[in-house]
Amino acid sequence: SQTIHQWPATLVQPVGSPLSLECTVEGTSNPNLYWYRQAAGRGLQLLFYSVGIGQISSEVPQNLSASRPQDRQFILSSKKLLLSDSGFYLCACIGKASHSGNTIYFGEGSWLTVV
Amino acid sequence: AQTVTQSQPEMSVQEAETVTLSCTYDTSESNYYLFWYKQPPSRQMILVIRQEAYKQQNATENRFSVNFQKAAKSFSLKISDSQLGDTAMYFCAFMKLAGAQKLVFGQGTRLTINP
Repeated sequence: SQTIHQWPATLVQPVGSPLSLECTVEGTSNPNLYWYRQAAGRGLQLLFYSVGIGQISSEVPQNLSASRPQDRQFILSSKKLLLSDSGFYLCACIGKASHSGNTIYFGEGSWLTVV
Repeated sequence: AQTVTQSQPEMSVQEAETVTLSCTYDTSESNYYLFWYKQPPSRQMILVIRQEAYKQQNATENRFSVNFQKAAKSFSLKISDSQLGDTAMYFCAFMKLAGAQKLVFGQGTRLTINP
C-alpha cells in the first residue's frame, strides 16, 4: 500500500521568510501528487498537482510554488511568506500502478503559522 | 466545474444512534468517483468509503454505508451504531475520471458523538 511522508509536521515562520515543505511517497510508482491547503474550520483547497517529474499545474494564483524533482517527491515552496499563507497543508497521492484504484490518500499534514 | 455541497455544518448524536450526513454535487461528467473522508482532531484525512458512479449498488464498509442517488446527484453517508471515535469532521469529495484526476471537497460536517 501507499505511504506518504510529509515534513515538517509543524513550523512557525516570520513574514517574509522562505518556506519548504516536503512530501515523499512509498509503495507506488509514477503517482499523481497533490498539495492541498486547509484554512481553519474550512474545507480543502487544491493548490497544485503533478502527473510526472517536472510537470506542475497550479490551481489558484498565490504566493506559493511547487516542484517535483523526483518521481515520488513533491515540494511546496515560497520565497517570501505572507500572513495569509498560514494553514494546514496536506500532500496527497494517487498511485497509477497501485491496487487502490482511483483513490487519493493523504499524508499527515503540516501546520504552518506565519507570524 | 464540479461543486460539492454539504448543507450541515454541524451535527450531534448520542452514542449508538444512527446518523446520516448529507452531500450533493453538481457535475456534467458521467464517470466519476465519490468519497467520504474523515478528519479527526489529529487532522489526518482518512478514507471512509468510496463509490464508483457506474455502480448502482451502494457501497458499504462495516458501520458505514452510502445512499447514492445519481439522478439527484446526492451522496449521503449513514453511520450506524455510532461510537465516540466517530467524532470528527467529515468531508464529501468528488473526482472525475476523465482528464486530470483531482478531488473536489465540500466544506465539511462536524460530527460529535456524545456519551
